[in-house]
Amino acid sequence: GAVVSQHPSWVICKSGTSVKIECRSLDFQATTMFWYRQFPKQSLMLMATSNEGSKATYEQGVEKDKFLINHASLTLSTLTVTSAHPEDSSFYICSARDSGQGVGEQFFGPGTRLTVL
Amino acid sequence: SQQGEEDPQALSIQEGENATMNCSYKTSINNLQWYRQNSGRGLVHLILIRSNEREKHSGRLRVTLDTSKKSSSLLITASRAADTASYFCATVRTSGNTPLVFGKGTRLSVIA
Repeated sequence: GAVVSQHPSWVICKSGTSVKIECRSLDFQATTMFWYRQFPKQSLMLMATSNEGSKATYEQGVEKDKFLINHASLTLSTLTVTSAHPEDSSFYICSARDSGQGVGEQFFGPGTRLTVL
Repeated sequence: SQQGEEDPQALSIQEGENATMNCSYKTSINNLQWYRQNSGRGLVHLILIRSNEREKHSGRLRVTLDTSKKSSSLLITASRAADTASYFCATVRTSGNTPLVFGKGTRLSVIA
């Protein structure tokens, strides 16, 4: 099946710093990628939809200035958590669909665990 | 926002028993998918069932879909300790390239 990678797999940072997470589709092109956040023992919550070459669409309650999303190419989307605080500590998961496969399986990256001290 | 609910929220069974998890959703869908997640790990795609399908099998997994009731069930037969994980259903709406929306999940514990 198609592979989505994320980097880094985990990161620890100090409060106030910014952290960038990369999401890549390795063997397919993805016009659209999705970013989710998961707190411990909870489900995945959709944060935003990342569209190649245009602005991301954020879900209600997600601050676009805090969570900057850039989808510069058909295989790469980045999520930058700006001025991170301890409450931003979470598991961030990206996902993508193969642009040529319609509404089919959504492939997930392995996730990035962010810990803000 | 989350699409719906799974029940039970937690399920504990003995190895060899069957485990049944249910999922309800709110909107019309294109397809419904089930995922497994081991603690602190990424998602594993289990099975996809389309809105025009009623039942699907994959190994020890059986998924049903009732679009009139907006519900689905996942049955794991002859459970094993390795099946211990959280299980999530997720739906895709009928229109547009919309993302998967996840239910709250069921935490399954299979005791050896």
